[in-house]
Amino acid sequence: DQQVKQNSPSLSVQEGRISILNCDYTNSMFDYFLWYKKYPAEGPTFLISISSIKDKNEDGRFTVFLNKSAKHLSLHIVPSQPGDSAVYFCAARTGANSKLTFGKGITLSVRP
Amino acid sequence: DAGVIQSPRHEVTEMGQEVTLRCKPISGHDYLFWYRQTMMRGLELLIYFNNNVPIDDSGMPEDRFSAKMPNASFSTLKIQPSEPRDSAVYFCASRASAGGYGYTFGSGTRLTVV
Repeated sequence: DQQVKQNSPSLSVQEGRISILNCDYTNSMFDYFLWYKKYPAEGPTFLISISSIKDKNEDGRFTVFLNKSAKHLSLHIVPSQPGDSAVYFCAARTGANSKLTFGKGITLSVRP
Repeated sequence: DAGVIQSPRHEVTEMGQEVTLRCKPISGHDYLFWYRQTMMRGLELLIYFNNNVPIDDSGMPEDRFSAKMPNASFSTLKIQPSEPRDSAVYFCASRASAGGYGYTFGSGTRLTVV
């Protein structure tokens, strides 16, 4: 039973355009959400996060939006760069010291 | 800090053999997690420890899997006997309970069971 769902396995965008990566969740107890980025042959690395009490968090080219009523969050990358090509995992937790539950990931390809 | 260190990076073994994966967490981190990545299931949590004590092993697929953390700087994940369906990338991650929300992952061990 996937509590964190990334339903699109892949996304391809042109360099300079916006990338929008989506994530849905089912557990209303999730209080914190994170995005991780993973390059081949490396471990996932933390990218950006958002608390459930906020609806937006921005860090440079990366913005995460949270819609609690829809149990949906999205990661926007503007402008997209070829170096952004990677697998992106959405993750969520239910408390400060709880485990992270990850989605299956989405492979982003940014075309030059 | 060298980060989370996993060994070996790659392991190829025959079905039925015992496999041991190793992890050294970041010094001072009191949580340690073992995850497995597959195409079908993505990143799934197998087990995690807090202060060397197993807290949740509900993700361990079968009795063939076992994990230990004898001290704060070392953990092992053992599969005995291994099966082809165990082939995956196994990640170890650690975090500190005080401050920060994210985990630091190791580079993973790619296991192939033939």
